[in-house]
Amino acid sequence: GDSVTQMEGPVTLSEEAFLTINCTYTATGYPSLFWYVQYPGEGLQLLLKATKADDKGSNKGFEATYRKETTSFHLEKGSVQVSDSAVYFCGTSGGSNYKLTFGKGTLLTVNP
Amino acid sequence: DAGITQSPRHKVTETGTPVTLRCHQTENHRYMYWYRQDPGHGLRLIHYSYGVKDTDKGEVSDGYSVSRSKTEDFLLTLESATSSQTSVYFCAISEISGSVYEQYFGPGTRLTVT
Repeated sequence: GDSVTQMEGPVTLSEEAFLTINCTYTATGYPSLFWYVQYPGEGLQLLLKATKADDKGSNKGFEATYRKETTSFHLEKGSVQVSDSAVYFCGTSGGSNYKLTFGKGTLLTVNP
Repeated sequence: DAGITQSPRHKVTETGTPVTLRCHQTENHRYMYWYRQDPGHGLRLIHYSYGVKDTDKGEVSDGYSVSRSKTEDFLLTLESATSSQTSVYFCAISEISGSVYEQYFGPGTRLTVT
């Protein structure tokens, strides 16, 4: 079945530091890839997505590129802010299109 | 905002009692999902629905049942709650954007089984 592996946290950074959260996937067919963010006490929110190889998803300064050759979709941000502190989930639609498989989540804490 | 509400938002119940969680959506989405979130496990799919009276199991469906008698409501029932079902439960819907189904989540229900 489909699976997603993302780097284990927690990740602690200082404000304005560079962020990378690694994500690799195993999926059948032509999966779409997603990053979701969860702020404390809230549900998951879609952060960005990519639907085919070499696509780059971007939103709120975050970026991730769909790399089919390495089955990866790493999340990056050039300069994090305290307000980026949250849990980040990588996900893939795998072969189903309407079902998602998520990684275990990575807790990011940004200190001022 | 995908118009998803969950009720109750918090519940404490005793082992062996039945519990029903409700997910309500206002935008006529076909697909609805129930997940549970636990430390170290991330988000895991319990059941999903692809239409009224059409449901299927996810990866952690044991001990749970669902019903969808109308488009807007998707109910999750724990027939006899156990402590291992203490978790945060999220409902989600799928909305197609181009050729991709994007999922949108409700605010969650925190369930504690004592």
